[in-house]
Amino acid sequence: TQLLEQSPQFLSIQEGENLTVYCNSSSVFSSLQWYRQEPGEGPVLLVTVVTGGEVKKLKRLTFQFGDARKDSSLHITAAQPGDTGLYLCAGAATGGSEKLVFGKGMKLTVNP
Amino acid sequence: DAGVTQSPTHLIKTRGQQVTLRCSPKSGHDTVSWYQQALGQGPQFIFQYYEEEERQRGNFPDRFSGHQFPNYSSELNVNALLLGDSALYLCASTRRGGSYGYTFGSGTRLTVV
Repeated sequence: TQLLEQSPQFLSIQEGENLTVYCNSSSVFSSLQWYRQEPGEGPVLLVTVVTGGEVKKLKRLTFQFGDARKDSSLHITAAQPGDTGLYLCAGAATGGSEKLVFGKGMKLTVNP
Repeated sequence: DAGVTQSPTHLIKTRGQQVTLRCSPKSGHDTVSWYQQALGQGPQFIFQYYEEEERQRGNFPDRFSGHQFPNYSSELNVNALLLGDSALYLCASTRRGGSYGYTFGSGTRLTVV
C-alpha cells in the first residue's frame, strides 16, 4: 500500500513569512502533483513534477521532486492571506497507472 | 469552457438507503475517477472509468459501484448507506495519454443520518 505523509498538518503564520510543506513516502511515484483546496470546493491542480530532482516555480511557490521520486516539497515565499487553504500532495503510481494516492494535506492559515 | 460538473451539490440520506451521484467531465477528457474525502482527510480513490469500463478500484466494498456512459459522463452508486459513508465525493477527469493532472469537480456533500 502506497502512503504519502505530509508535514506539518497545520500551520498558522503571519503575512510575509515563508514556509515549507513536506510530502514523504517509502514508495516511488511516476509523478507527484500538488493541489490546493478551499472549503466547499474540489482540489485545484497547482503543479505536476515528473522527473527526479525537478524544481518548478509558480510565482511565489517553489516545488521540488526528490531525486528518488519518493518525496516532494512545496516552499511558499512571502505568504499572503490568499494562500490560505488545504495543500494536498498526490502521487501517481509507477507503471502508468493514473490512480492518485493523496496525503492528508496541510491546512495553511495566513493571517493579515 | 466548463470544468467538471457534479450533481447534486448536497444530499441527505437515511441509513440503509441508496444514492446516485453524477459527474460530467471536462470537455476533451475521457477518463473519470471518483474519490471520497472524509472531514479532515485527503481524498481516497474509489474507482476509475475509461471506455465505459471500471479500470481500477480502490479499497472500497461492493456497495460502491459506478458507470460511465458513451458521452464520458459517470455515475457513482452507493447501496445500503452507512453513517460512515458521510463525506465529500469528488469526481475528477483527465485525458488518458495526456499530460499529468486531474481536474476536480466541487464535489457532492453526502450526509447519512
